[in-house]
Amino acid sequence: GENVEQHPSTLSVQEGDSAVIKCTYSDSASNYFPWYKQELGKGPQLIIDIRSNVGEKKDQRIAVTLNKTAKHFSLHITETQPEDSAVYFCAAAKDSNYQLIWGAGTKLIIKP
Amino acid sequence: DAEITQSPRHKITETGRQVTLACHQTWNHNNMFWYRQDLGHGLRLIHYSYGVQDTNKGEVSDGYSVSRSNTEDLPLTLESAASSQTSVYFCASSEVRPGQRNTEAFFGQGTRLTVV
Repeated sequence: GENVEQHPSTLSVQEGDSAVIKCTYSDSASNYFPWYKQELGKGPQLIIDIRSNVGEKKDQRIAVTLNKTAKHFSLHITETQPEDSAVYFCAAAKDSNYQLIWGAGTKLIIKP
Repeated sequence: DAEITQSPRHKITETGRQVTLACHQTWNHNNMFWYRQDLGHGLRLIHYSYGVQDTNKGEVSDGYSVSRSNTEDLPLTLESAASSQTSVYFCASSEVRPGQRNTEAFFGQGTRLTVV
């Protein structure tokens, strides 16, 4: 079955710098790749997603890139702010079964 | 506003007891999911449902059961609670019908369960 690996497990960056989180997946049939942000004491919330027919997607300070050949996708956050501090999860799914397979999460710390 | 709510938010129970966690969504979504979240494991799927009377096992279903008697609710039951089931449990829902593409899943606030 599908396996999703996420790195790093913890990332500390200076406020204003960029942050990059990387994920790899194993099932070439996966075609939907969302990123979720989880703040302390809350459930995960979708921040951006990408489908396999697109190589890059951007929404203000966040962007996601997908390399289908290498089976990896990345989350990029530019001009980081204190409110970006959270745990970020990547996931992969196939449209045939709607089940998300999750990475282990990255704790992002923004240093003032 | 539509939402998804879990109750209780915190629960302490004893080993061997039966426990039920509630999940209620007002999105009218077909799909509902239960996950457990443990440090270093991310979110692991326990059970899921694609509609009323439909339930399916996820990757960590042993010791858990669900039932779907209506669209809004998917209660999760721990038949005989064990210390290994101490975790944070999340319920989620999504509106995807057969033939449609995957889309956003909405999560509840979570239930922190401690088995002593």
